[in-house]
Amino acid sequence: DAGITQSPRHKVTETGTPVTLRCHQTENHRYMYWYRQDPGHGLRLIHYSYGVKDTDKGEVSDGYSVSRSKTEDFLLTLESATSSQTSVYFCAISASGKGSEAFFGQGTRLTVV
Amino acid sequence: AQSVTQLGSHVSVSEGALVLLRCNYSSSVPPYLFWYVQYPNQGLQLLLKYTSAATLVKGINGFEAEFKKSETSFHLTKPSAHMSDAAEYFCAVIPSGYSTLTFGKGTMLLVSP
Repeated sequence: DAGITQSPRHKVTETGTPVTLRCHQTENHRYMYWYRQDPGHGLRLIHYSYGVKDTDKGEVSDGYSVSRSKTEDFLLTLESATSSQTSVYFCAISASGKGSEAFFGQGTRLTVV
Repeated sequence: AQSVTQLGSHVSVSEGALVLLRCNYSSSVPPYLFWYVQYPNQGLQLLLKYTSAATLVKGINGFEAEFKKSETSFHLTKPSAHMSDAAEYFCAVIPSGYSTLTFGKGTMLLVSP
């Protein structure tokens, strides 16, 4: 299995609080991604990174920010959590992006109450 | 924007029967295509990928998929279903020149004895 660790695996938080999810990889892959998975929607891209300090928005980026200060770590921050951000969040990594497969972490289940 | 359509949110088969999960993509230029599987409470695992080397792609666990440019399809098949194949299956695409995966909404495969 690809070395991807997401933390925490489960979190319950209150509306309006900031939340940070962490993705750590040991594969030295260039690309890292954050997706959210919701019933009936499949997986939707939130943000991705193509190198240290190089990030770009995905399909559902509103209300989220990301940072990548080291190759191995990619952080996803919910600035002020809302109930609509209750979801399962997956981190993925890819060696080169174009055409190369992505490997996924085990996911973080976030509940905003 | 590139899109992926998976026909049928649920597919039911009997053990030993043929499995056919349908995927169509929208693109005038053949993209990179993938099938992923997700078991309950787990991350996504790559089943197979198409990168233009061959139109019939063999993957893990006896699955295969055929790329048909004329039909813009990449359907997933397995000759004989096993109980352990019960899971959710996602078709995904990376458009030519891009580096992010776009997923279909998924198909839940149910296998009955």
